[in-house]
Amino acid sequence: DSGVTQTPKHLITATGQRVTLRCSPRSGDLSVYWYQQSLDQGLQFLIHYYNGEERAKGNILERFSAQQFPDLHSELNLSSLELGDSALYFCASSVATGKGYGYTFGSGTRLTVV
Amino acid sequence: TQLLEQSPQFLSIQEGENLTVYCNSSSVFSSLQWYRQEPGEGPVLLVTVVTGGEVKKLKRLTFQFGDARKDSSLHITAAQPGDTGLYLCAGSNYGGATNKLIFGTGTLLAVQP
Repeated sequence: DSGVTQTPKHLITATGQRVTLRCSPRSGDLSVYWYQQSLDQGLQFLIHYYNGEERAKGNILERFSAQQFPDLHSELNLSSLELGDSALYFCASSVATGKGYGYTFGSGTRLTVV
Repeated sequence: TQLLEQSPQFLSIQEGENLTVYCNSSSVFSSLQWYRQEPGEGPVLLVTVVTGGEVKKLKRLTFQFGDARKDSSLHITAAQPGDTGLYLCAGSNYGGATNKLIFGTGTLLAVQP
């Protein structure tokens, strides 16, 4: 157990639907990062939150949004889902944003859009 | 856009062999990390290197950060089946609002008993 909790582990939904992925960071970690992993694109950075504040956005589609709550858990919302959104979605946390701080990843949510 | 290319993409070797995985970029990074990922799990941090030319050893794994901080290598001595997995390098820069990681393309290693 890495200490980063992601739910649900698996999600199957239809095109056009909306889903919410949840992440609880490791105790004491203020930063949460979301990544998408697909076979053809590898691990792609989506968004970074630090203590409730958005710090950076990557190649995140407009149909996707995220937030970090006061208790530091984070949610990634995916709407108007398309077949191409099927992927593994990982959340990672880090204690700080400084040099040398590594990430602790959760075990991911496997999203299948049918 | 910063990119990290890893080579080889796939590697299948016998137990006891040595191997080296390369991670190259045209961009300079403040630090570079290596992760290993197993099926159905998230990547697990192996090491962080922050100084150009730095060498770190973790049991049978040796990591090196290039002098110009644009490349890195991972060398495994006497590979074991337990080393099987996807190896990912990831670069990061500091001084701004984020330390987001840019991940490499990955090297899938299979060690046969």
